[in-house]
Amino acid sequence: QKEVEQNSGPLSVPEGAIASLNCTYSDRGSQSFFWYRQYSGKSPELIMSIYSNGDKEDGRFTAQLNKASQYVSLLIRDSQPSDSATYLCAVDSSYKLIFGSGTRLLVRP
Amino acid sequence: SAVISQKPSRDICQRGTSLTIQCQVDSQVTMMFWYRQQPGQSLTLIATANQGSEATYESGFVIDKFPISRPNLTFSTLTVSNMSPEDSSIYLCSVGLAGLPSSYEQYFGPGTRLTVT
Repeated sequence: QKEVEQNSGPLSVPEGAIASLNCTYSDRGSQSFFWYRQYSGKSPELIMSIYSNGDKEDGRFTAQLNKASQYVSLLIRDSQPSDSATYLCAVDSSYKLIFGSGTRLLVRP
Repeated sequence: SAVISQKPSRDICQRGTSLTIQCQVDSQVTMMFWYRQQPGQSLTLIATANQGSEATYESGFVIDKFPISRPNLTFSTLTVSNMSPEDSSIYLCSVGLAGLPSSYEQYFGPGTRLTVT
């Protein structure tokens, strides 16, 4: 059974801080990894994709991938209350996505 | 990305009935998928909707319960048949757009919130 693990949280950080969200996966053959943001009552929104080891930056978001450790993370710099949402890690497995259970992030004003 | 719409956005249905959910995309796409998100849980893939052929179902999902149509590259339907309260979920369609060397980036529609009483 291919699995994607995330800490359910909530992860609470003060406004302006760095939020660090982590994800591990079991399928060593996975090549592509995704972070989705889901606000309550809304559908998931793709915010980052990564397929090479190392860091990928997009604005305040940085995705980090370590295939040897089967580990993906998402850093959110200068966190804002509007970043409060559930963040879902997803791993590609033969063109299908396997989702983690999500980490709820709360950014305190 | 693509603009994806779903109808209905929500519905309340009686047990034993069926509901068909529509998914429309503003451009032709090869890959379309149907997911379920049960209350407080993450997303689970139901099936891949294949244009011109039968859908590919994941373990635990069967065609008799969740028949899927994909008549063209911009449209798909998912039917939830003979519903029970356990089928109360959000049903989401997604489309895969080529953006990575060996994968697709998936974008989701707004979802259909189904309550079965």
